[in-house]
Amino acid sequence: GAGVSQSPSNKVTEKGKDVELRCDPISGHTALYWYRQSLGQGLEFLIYFQGNSAPDKSGLPSDRFSAERTGGSVSTLTIQRTQQEDSAVYLCASSLGPGGGYEQYFGPGTRLTVT
Amino acid sequence: QKEVEQNSGPLSVPEGAIASLNCTYSDRGSQSFFWYRQYSGKSPELIMFIYSNGDKEDGRFTAQLNKASQYVSLLIRDSQPSDSATYLCAVNLGGRGSTLGRLYFGRGTQLTVWP
Repeated sequence: GAGVSQSPSNKVTEKGKDVELRCDPISGHTALYWYRQSLGQGLEFLIYFQGNSAPDKSGLPSDRFSAERTGGSVSTLTIQRTQQEDSAVYLCASSLGPGGGYEQYFGPGTRLTVT
Repeated sequence: QKEVEQNSGPLSVPEGAIASLNCTYSDRGSQSFFWYRQYSGKSPELIMFIYSNGDKEDGRFTAQLNKASQYVSLLIRDSQPSDSATYLCAVNLGGRGSTLGRLYFGRGTQLTVWP
């Protein structure tokens, strides 16, 4: 079946602009996660959605970052007033159920470059 | 702070050999453990998961978990040049059905399998 999809695959933006990144999880997966991976850095958790529960936003690095998930499916990660340090690959993952004990599958990522 | 430690490598093995990748984690309450393979320029791909102490085998891959020692490993038998990639260890604090969704990742071990 179809995996996690993300768009755009690449995004170049000027410092100070806002960007929106989109994620379509695997059909039937109730949990959705955003991570980012900077050059030479590990994978950094950003936010986690599970069903109708309040999202776990504990990984968002600043209030310039926000995310929403509409209809329990598609999610959008928004970065306002982008900075150069926001340049990274933004990865979305989904899992069949909540929390541990369910495997997370990653999409191809969106490479964000802030100039 | 939840730490997941891996040797960064590079680990270099000849084709046909066994590659052994190791990971330690700091939180004794961790419940779920995952190994991802990441080719250069690609997103992480889930290759193994293990939730109970002991060994779990899947084809050429074996995951080993020792919760008492807070240690998880991945063995790759009959290594192939196509196994050359970075291997990421990931840990989740929750068991199935918990709300603890985020994964904590190590920095990864770079594996090279030479012909």
